[in-house]
Amino acid sequence: DVQMTQSPSYLAASPGESVSISCKASKSINTYLAWYQEKPGKTNKLLIYSGSTLQSGTPSRFSGSGSGTDFTLTIRSLEPEDFAVYYCQQHNEYPLTFGSGTKLEIK
Amino acid sequence: EVQLVESGGGLVQPGRSLKLSCAASGFTFSNYYMAWVRQAPKKGLEWVATISTSGSRTYYPDSVKGRFTISRDNAKSSLYLQMNSLKSEDTATYYCARQWAGRGFFDYWGQGVMVTVSS
Repeated sequence: DVQMTQSPSYLAASPGESVSISCKASKSINTYLAWYQEKPGKTNKLLIYSGSTLQSGTPSRFSGSGSGTDFTLTIRSLEPEDFAVYYCQQHNEYPLTFGSGTKLEIK
Repeated sequence: EVQLVESGGGLVQPGRSLKLSCAASGFTFSNYYMAWVRQAPKKGLEWVATISTSGSRTYYPDSVKGRFTISRDNAKSSLYLQMNSLKSEDTATYYCARQWAGRGFFDYWGQGVMVTVSS
């Protein structure tokens, strides 16, 4: 199984700042990585798939990069609604596996 | 608008069975792979099962293989998860999710239904 290691597990930032979240796969997953946003009272939201492709409706301040085993989610100029939990997930092979999550909180 | 609404959760004793349902609307259900993903309390997400458009192919992780069965009724736009031989570690919120084609990412999620396995 592909193990996904996500870091940091916790991140505090202020609105307007930029942040990056890392996700590392235990073996190559090509570019097949997705990022999700989890917020209380809302359904999980797909932000990015295939490493860098923005899902329809995802603001352009979100970007994804990486290939092989190392991936990054970057959020530029944080908005208040961006404070949430973020998960990565490899979609290269079964079993599909997720990272452990990053909680982004307001500083 | 895509909507996925889960039902059937609750409290069940270890070793017993439970069947979850997911009612889909707002899209052509039969054109999409569907999946179940769960989240144990204060834990991360874990993929549980995937089913192809016709139902002919199913996929499971080792943690539930042989105990859980995913199925669908395209005429009713409904997805199901039959869970047998339940264990305490199956306690989680179970989410129904639409899976993008054969690629394993999820573009829409339901609100989830809680399953508690306890005596």
